[in-house]
Amino acid sequence: NAGVMQNPRHLVRRRGQEARLRCSPMKGHSHVYWYRQLPEEGLKFMVYLQKENIIDESGMPKERFSAEFPKEGPSILRIQQVVRGDSAAYFCASSPGGGVYGYTFGSGTRLTVV
Amino acid sequence: AQKVTQAQTEISVVEKEDVTLDCVYETRDTTYYLFWYKQPPSGELVFLIRRNSFDEQNEISGRYSWNFQKSTSSFNFTITASQVVDSAVYFCALSETSGVDKIIFGKGTRLHILP
Repeated sequence: NAGVMQNPRHLVRRRGQEARLRCSPMKGHSHVYWYRQLPEEGLKFMVYLQKENIIDESGMPKERFSAEFPKEGPSILRIQQVVRGDSAAYFCASSPGGGVYGYTFGSGTRLTVV
Repeated sequence: AQKVTQAQTEISVVEKEDVTLDCVYETRDTTYYLFWYKQPPSGELVFLIRRNSFDEQNEISGRYSWNFQKSTSSFNFTITASQVVDSAVYFCALSETSGVDKIIFGKGTRLHILP
């Protein structure tokens, strides 16, 4: 039973390009969470999704960032027109149903904007 | 609103010493979950423990132990006889059960174990 799979592990983008980060939750998990970790900082909640629905996007910047979790396929975090300040580690977690079941984290995607 | 405070930004101890990492939380919920995660230099997040708010028993796992005190809203983590491999950033986290069920992290404590 594979864990939470994130790809790519490392992503380099030039300023102005788009970044797409993928997260495949554990089998049977329908809840997906995205977190951002800036260098030398903690993990900040970005967005919480269930299949085809955004439940809470209170931590996501209003512009350039979007997330989806389609009926089929992985969850995607999309960053348009990346800037240097977007350089960070992006972690995805999945759960069968929140804290009562716990959360499993992926290994993260390290985004570097040059 | 839920909040987790880890007042110790960085701690250094000599190998074999005991060290305690503090965690204080805020929540209005009566049912909630507390977590500790370890982030070694390689960057992944390693799950250490999950504790629900109704279970105040202290937990011991090898050299690791956790002290949950509901009266002071604290969930402290102690490493006994520390080792160099314990060097990492440690995060305390909280998830509530009312409203949106998501996990919120403290800012982390960077632990250096000196040989």
